[in-house]
Amino acid sequence: DAGVIQSPRHEVTEMGQEVTLRCKPISGHNSLFWYRQTMMRGLELLIYFNNNVPIDDSGMPEDRFSAKMPNASFSTLKIQPSEPRDSAVYFCASSSGPSAPQHFGDGTRLSIL
Amino acid sequence: AQSVSQHNHHVILSEAASLELGCNYSYGGTVNLFWYVQYPGQHLQLLLKYFSGDPLVKGIKGFEAEFIKSKFSFNLRKPSVQWSDTAEYFCAVRDYGGATNKLIFGTGTLLAVQP
Repeated sequence: DAGVIQSPRHEVTEMGQEVTLRCKPISGHNSLFWYRQTMMRGLELLIYFNNNVPIDDSGMPEDRFSAKMPNASFSTLKIQPSEPRDSAVYFCASSSGPSAPQHFGDGTRLSIL
Repeated sequence: AQSVSQHNHHVILSEAASLELGCNYSYGGTVNLFWYVQYPGQHLQLLLKYFSGDPLVKGIKGFEAEFIKSKFSFNLRKPSVQWSDTAEYFCAVRDYGGATNKLIFGTGTLLAVQP
């Protein structure tokens, strides 16, 4: 079975540039989560969707961050403009419902210079 | 709000030693509890989970965890660790508030097993 697929695996860009991270959840899963992992703050939930609708975006750091889920098989996390403090590993996870564990993608390692 | 505490930030053990990693959550009610493992450079993988029933839960790779409701704890154990267990371990709790599926993660425990 294909797991959660994230792209790109690595991204290095200069500050001020727009960054778009992509996620394809496991087919049939109706919940999707975006996390950020840093040494300083650990694993933080940024936003999660249920049936393509954003349910909780309280973890989104600021207006520079936005996330969309136009359909059940695709989500994006966008940072515009990017800043060096956004450097982190961004994970996407999906689950099949409230009683199901979350399955994580391999992450996108983002470096903002 | 619910929170999760992992008291051991960094643990170093020799192979064959026994392991116990602490995890406490902040308040009761119905909760689902998880342990995830993250091997170096990889994504988080589910080790084990507790939803209800037997409070002693067995997971993959010889790991187990015990849910003690009175102590708000869900400690992870393994009787004999291997070098390949070197990884970061995350405890997580979900408030089973109906439709929500939000996990609260602890800050993680980095385990280094010396051969």
